[in-house]
Amino acid sequence: NAGVMQNPRHLVRRRGQEARLRCSPMKGHSHVYWYRQLPEEGLKFMVYLQKENIIDESGMPKERFSAEFPKEGPSILRIQQVVRGDSAAYFCASSPPGGGAHEQFFGPGTRLTVL
Amino acid sequence: AQSVTQLDSQVPVFEEAPVELRCNYSSSVSVYLFWYVQYPNQGLQLLLKYLSGSTLVKGINGFEAEFNKSQTSFHLRKPSVHISDTAEYFCAVIYGSSNTGKLIFGQGTTLQVKP
Repeated sequence: NAGVMQNPRHLVRRRGQEARLRCSPMKGHSHVYWYRQLPEEGLKFMVYLQKENIIDESGMPKERFSAEFPKEGPSILRIQQVVRGDSAAYFCASSPPGGGAHEQFFGPGTRLTVL
Repeated sequence: AQSVTQLDSQVPVFEEAPVELRCNYSSSVSVYLFWYVQYPNQGLQLLLKYLSGSTLVKGINGFEAEFNKSQTSFHLRKPSVHISDTAEYFCAVIYGSSNTGKLIFGQGTTLQVKP
């Protein structure tokens, strides 16, 4: 039973380009969470999604960032027109259906570097 | 505001010595408490969690933590550390219902185990 998968593991972008980060939840999990870890800081919640629904996006920056979790396929965190301040590790977690937010399993993360 | 405070950014300790990593959270009616470990360039691994019941929680790798509601603390302890315990440790909290999904993390504590 594979765990949470994230790809790519490392992503380099130049300022102004777009970054797409993918997260495949654990088998049977229908809830996905995205967190960002800036250098020397703890993880900060960004967004919580269920299939085809955004449940809580209170941690998402107002501009350039979007997230989706389609009926089929992985969850995507999209960052448009990246800036140097977006350089961070982005972690995805998933949990089973039925309100099991306390059962979050984390992926290995995508480390985004903006040149 | 809902927050989590890890009082020590770095904790150096000699191998086989005991260690305590401190965590305090802002007061709330109900909380779910977690400790995660992060090895360099890896994702987060759950050490232990408190949801309800006994206030002393035992986790993996010989770690344990005690929920103290009156002091709003959830300190992590290990009676004898190994070199392999060197890592970053994060305390995290879900405030209110577990359905909110949002883990709020502390800043992290770097445990440095010396031979």
